[in-house]
Amino acid sequence: GAVVSQHPSRVICKSGTSVKIECRSLDFQATTMFWYRQFPKQSLMLMATSNEGSKATYEQGVEKDKFLINHASLTLSTLTVTSAHPEDSSFYICSASGGTGTTDTQYFGPGTRLTVL
Amino acid sequence: QKEVEQDPGPLSVPEGAIVSLNCTYSNSAFQYFMWYRQYSRKGPELLMYTYSSGNKEDGRFTAQVDKSSKYISLFIRDSQPSDSATYLCAMSEPGGYQKVTFGTGTKLQVIP
Repeated sequence: GAVVSQHPSRVICKSGTSVKIECRSLDFQATTMFWYRQFPKQSLMLMATSNEGSKATYEQGVEKDKFLINHASLTLSTLTVTSAHPEDSSFYICSASGGTGTTDTQYFGPGTRLTVL
Repeated sequence: QKEVEQDPGPLSVPEGAIVSLNCTYSNSAFQYFMWYRQYSRKGPELLMYTYSSGNKEDGRFTAQVDKSSKYISLFIRDSQPSDSATYLCAMSEPGGYQKVTFGTGTKLQVIP
């Protein structure tokens, strides 16, 4: 149980284009989803937290107009990188939690490697 | 000073060895402690989840939390080549959907 999928697993795009990444919880309802970015040899950096049906909460330094997050259902959240630039190239990982209001385990997706040319 | 410190390694051990992975932290409010395993180019996989101090065992894995020293450990017994991965410690405060703070990860290589 507790499977989280991400699509696509890898994307290469031109500078200035937008890229959408999907995160799905396959066998549980995710009341909260998290989006992380991971640079090589570095830890996961939380970008934003989203609860189903409400606006995402962004971490300090993360541009909400650049990284659009939608959590429209209990099984799907999307991250759209708008007007992507080479410095946005990174490994983006989502996680999902189906907690009942207390700190709950996060289950991670397999990640999406974004390369912006 | 980072909230969570973890030696990045790499750590190389022979197959069958006991592996000890450690993290220290500075935030005394952390109550939940996790260990994740991450294979190259994959998302992290939860290995162990403990609350407050004490030990927890699951198969070849044992997690220890010493809150007085702000020190957590993961022990892997009878290590296998398939254990070769990066191990991330993570921790959070109680009370709702608190932010999880990750260590930088320790890269482990188990040599056959």
